[in-house]
Amino acid sequence: QSTLTQPPSASGSPGQSVTISCTGTSSDVGGDNYVSWYQQHPGKAPKLMIYEVYRRPSGVPDRFSGSRSGNTASLTVSGLQADDEADYYCCSDAGINNLRVFGGGTKLTVL
Amino acid sequence: EVQLVESGGGLVKPGGSLRLSCAASGLTFSTYSMNWVRQAPGKGLEWVSFISTTSSHIYYADSVKGRFTISRDDARNSLFLQMNSLRAEDTAVYYCATSARGIQNWRPLDYWGQGTLVTVSS
Repeated sequence: QSTLTQPPSASGSPGQSVTISCTGTSSDVGGDNYVSWYQQHPGKAPKLMIYEVYRRPSGVPDRFSGSRSGNTASLTVSGLQADDEADYYCCSDAGINNLRVFGGGTKLTVL
Repeated sequence: EVQLVESGGGLVKPGGSLRLSCAASGLTFSTYSMNWVRQAPGKGLEWVSFISTTSSHIYYADSVKGRFTISRDDARNSLFLQMNSLRAEDTAVYYCATSARGIQNWRPLDYWGQGTLVTVSS
């Protein structure tokens, strides 16, 4: 199964907003609403930030938001803070094959 | 507090076998479906396998199908991954993970262990 396509890097200054894209197909990202986003700091386990395209788990700041248009999902981080510097991965259910696919990851740098 | 603790990683030769374990606490393990996700050094996340409650549904990524076997022991609150015919490309940190939002295979992964490193090398 293929991975979802993310830009390898993104950056922004403190206080700015940055958007990370995740492109798939109508069989995964563009299909049902099972798109999620994970944040991973170096040497740490991933942390769930967004699920079902735009929902935020308890404890995740509302600076993090998710959306989708067609086969592309997006994660927007507003009011960038130093601790937002991390790798971000999108993830989607891959439809009838009962599989789960991740994006290649985007390294977010806070300048 | 939910805790997932992986163990069993190590160095193994190509073609060899290894069995990973994931000990769960802070949750009623039998009511949670479970996943294995791996991450090769310096690379992204790759979903490996899923097992439902009662082990009635089991799925594998194409890259490990026929070589890896996922299982669970609810009496011991433990998840396992038997890895056979290991290849260099199986080298990765292996995480166990589960969802707090339902048992279906597509649910997001809320809880993750710290991972255990598997190195396949001669």
